[in-house]
Amino acid sequence: GAVVSQHPSWVICKSGTSVKIECRSLDFQATTMFWYRQFPKQSLMLMATSNEGSKATYEQGVEKDKFLINHASLTLSTLTVTSAHPEDSSFYICSAPYRGIGEQYFGPGTRLTVT
Amino acid sequence: RKEVEQDPGPFNVPEGATVAFNCTYSNSASQSFFWYRQDCRKEPKLLMSVYSSGNEDGRFTAQLNRASQYISLLIRDSKLSDSATYLCVVNPGRYGQNFVFGPGTRLSVLP
Repeated sequence: GAVVSQHPSWVICKSGTSVKIECRSLDFQATTMFWYRQFPKQSLMLMATSNEGSKATYEQGVEKDKFLINHASLTLSTLTVTSAHPEDSSFYICSAPYRGIGEQYFGPGTRLTVT
Repeated sequence: RKEVEQDPGPFNVPEGATVAFNCTYSNSASQSFFWYRQDCRKEPKLLMSVYSSGNEDGRFTAQLNRASQYISLLIRDSKLSDSATYLCVVNPGRYGQNFVFGPGTRLSVLP
């Protein structure tokens, strides 16, 4: 079946530094990928839609200059959290739609802790 | 009103019990519906799609009522391994096919 990978699976960084998270579709091409964030005991919230070859679309309230998204190829999207703060500590998950309008496959997530 | 609503639970049931979860959605133009399962600190995994005619996969039965904008999931003969958070997920059909997640219903199956 379709597989989406994420790297790293967890990261601890100091406040003010930047962190890059990679999302790869391993056996299918994804012109669109989605980035979600999940705080403890809350549901997944869509942050942005990553589009191959064009700019990402950000949800309301998500700072595009803070969360930089690059979708450089049909199998790779990256999310860079710039100037991270402790409140950015969260579980970041990417996903890619598979088989048209149907299912989405999720990466295993990246747990970010900012100290 | 939230776009997708679920009872957050927790539902604590004994092994072997039958348990049902409900979900409502606000966008009548929504196109596809799913139940995902999420274990603690893990990514969501597709449990089953939900079709208008209803569908069954082993101990799991999903129903969709478009008129009432209501989705349900029934789990029969609960196992300990069914303990997880069950997410109702709606594809509203907007550009980009992004999903809208309900808050999830937490299930604990007790021995």
